[in-house]
Amino acid sequence: AQKVTQAQTEISVVEKEDVTLDCVYETRDTTYYLFWYKQPPSGELVFLIRRNSFDEQNEISGRYSWNFQKSTSSFNFTITASQVVDSAVYFCALRDSGGYQKVTFGTGTKLQVIP
Amino acid sequence: DTEVTQTPKHLVMGMTNKKSLKCEQHMGHRAMYWYKQKAKKPPELMFVYSYEKLSINESVPSRFSPECPNSSLLNLHLHALQPEDSALYLCASSQETTDRNEKLFFGSGTQLSVL
Repeated sequence: AQKVTQAQTEISVVEKEDVTLDCVYETRDTTYYLFWYKQPPSGELVFLIRRNSFDEQNEISGRYSWNFQKSTSSFNFTITASQVVDSAVYFCALRDSGGYQKVTFGTGTKLQVIP
Repeated sequence: DTEVTQTPKHLVMGMTNKKSLKCEQHMGHRAMYWYKQKAKKPPELMFVYSYEKLSINESVPSRFSPECPNSSLLNLHLHALQPEDSALYLCASSQETTDRNEKLFFGSGTQLSVL
C-alpha cells in the first residue's frame, strides 16, 4: 500500500524567510510518480511539480525548488524568500502502479506567510 | 482562471433534498474525477470516469450518483444526504493515457452543507 506523510501540519514564517515543506512516502513499487499541489483559500488545487522515480535530479523554478532523495524516500519542497501569496495548503502526492488513476495525497501542510 | 468549472460554488441542502453538482472542462481530457475534501483533510477519491465510463468507485454510498453525459461534463447527483456529507467536492480532469505522470487539473469545488 502507498502512503504519503507530511509531518508538518502548520508552518508560519515571516515574509522573505525560506521555508521547507517535508514529504516522506512509502511504496513497494520501483516505478512511481510524485507530485506537489498547492491549495490556496479559493479551493482549487494547483499543480506545481511532478517527478518519476527514475529522475532524481533536483529542480528549481523561480523561488521554488524540490529535493528528491530515493534513499530516504523524501520529496521536499523549498520556497525561497517567501511571499504572502505563498500562503496556502500544500499537498504532496504519490501515484504508483497499484492503480494508475489513483493518487494518494498526504495530509497537507498549511503555510502562513506573515507580512 | 481554472480550466475546470464547477457549479454551484456553494450549496446548502436538507437531508430530503435532491441536488446535482456540475463540472465542465474543455481541455479534451478523457478522464474526470470526483474528490471529497473535509476541512483540514486531504482530498479523497470518490469516482473516476475514463472515456465516459465509470472506472473507479471507491465504495461511495449510493446516495451519491455520478454521471458523465459526455466527454466534457461530469455530474454528481445527491439524494438523502447526511450532515456528515458536508464537505468541499472537487472535480478534476486529466489526459487519459497510461502515463502515470499526468497531472490533475482541479476545479474550485462546491462547498456543500447538509442540514
